[in-house]
Amino acid sequence: GEDVEQSLFLSVREGDSSVINCTYTDSSSTYLYWYKQEPGAGLQLLTYIFSNMDMKQDQRLTVLLNKKDKHLSLRIADTQTGDSAIYFCAESIGGYSTLTFGKGTMLLVSP
Amino acid sequence: AAGVIQSPRHLIKEKRETATLKCYPIPRHDTVYWYQQGPGQDPQFLISFYEKMQSDKGSIPDRFSAQQFSDYHSELNMSSLELGDSALYFCASSLGIQETQYFGPGTRLLVL
Repeated sequence: GEDVEQSLFLSVREGDSSVINCTYTDSSSTYLYWYKQEPGAGLQLLTYIFSNMDMKQDQRLTVLLNKKDKHLSLRIADTQTGDSAIYFCAESIGGYSTLTFGKGTMLLVSP
Repeated sequence: AAGVIQSPRHLIKEKRETATLKCYPIPRHDTVYWYQQGPGQDPQFLISFYEKMQSDKGSIPDRFSAQQFSDYHSELNMSSLELGDSALYFCASSLGIQETQYFGPGTRLLVL
């Protein structure tokens, strides 16, 4: 995960917006993904963005991509306690199919 | 919708034993990937297969091998298990290489 960096922890109140940030180093990244992992569970694909896009919205989720700064963010509107989980940013590069993950950001939503 | 199936979900082995993990991709998916996630770590790519051929190789130890069968399911064989192999092993599948990967629930392996 050294090519993809995330802050480790974010705490918000229920109803607030959460913004989880990610930076990556490889400019040839093709797709960038956000996965959610609840305790002891698998990886759930939340959303993804193609590298030629700068924004994608899907219900409460908004992904922003700043390709110049190699910065990706995930905004969760009206955060709920059920959103508490670890969020992984991941990139796939060029002609390769493998995913490189960040270390994950633990989101804690308090009532 | 059908998801990726992994078996077993939990496995306990002793050092130097062998283990076989199985992955059944989403129907029609032809590509499978294996990842290893150590405690508190991010998933690390091990190996992938497309149309029954190895398509990419990551940090898979020589003690591990994998294959994809004619029905597209895949097995990860792990021999001479070490304590450090204790981890969550994920399988993911996609319809074609470079397409979105969907992950299974993982197999939690504990080596004692």
